[in-house]
Amino acid sequence: DSGVTQTPKHLITATGQRVTLRCSPRSGDLSVYWYQQSLDQGLQFLIQYYNGEERAKGNILERFSAQQFPDLHSELNLSSLELGDSALYFCASSVGSLPYEQYFGPGTRLTVT
Amino acid sequence: GQQLNQSPQSMFIQEGEDVSMNCTSSSIFNTWLWYKQDPGEGPVLLIALYKAGELTSNGRLTAQFGITRKDSFLNISASIPSDVGIYFCAGYNNNDMRFGAGTRLTVKP
Repeated sequence: DSGVTQTPKHLITATGQRVTLRCSPRSGDLSVYWYQQSLDQGLQFLIQYYNGEERAKGNILERFSAQQFPDLHSELNLSSLELGDSALYFCASSVGSLPYEQYFGPGTRLTVT
Repeated sequence: GQQLNQSPQSMFIQEGEDVSMNCTSSSIFNTWLWYKQDPGEGPVLLIALYKAGELTSNGRLTAQFGITRKDSFLNISASIPSDVGIYFCAGYNNNDMRFGAGTRLTVKP
């Protein structure tokens, strides 16, 4: 158990819908990272928040957005969902702003039908 | 963005054998990381490398940060059945983190 929690574990929704994925970092960690893992694209970095502010942005689509709240939990919002958005979404956390020793959560499996 | 080139894609080995996998990039990275992912779980950090030429061990695992800063390799010695899983390399530089596609390792008892 990494100490990072993600909910829900599984999510099935239809194209065009909007979903919110939630992540609680390890106690004491200030950074939260979001990743997408799909079969054909591998693990892709989406976005990082550090202490409530956006720190780095990767391959995140405009239909996706994220935020980190004062209690440091984070949410990833995915809208206008497409079939290709079906993937595992991982959250990770680290103490500082650099991703060297980040701990991954168990992931949320999103299926868009 | 361009991901890292990781090879081999998969390996089938006998228990007790040594394993070697590597990652290459056209870009320079300041940090190389190696992760292992078990089915249904998130990746777990195995080894972090912070300096070109650095050789670091973690038990039966040894990883090296290439001198050109464009590559890294991971060796696993005397493999055991619980080494089964997918191994990912990752490179980090200036807020940019890229991953290899993974090496799927199968260990036959």
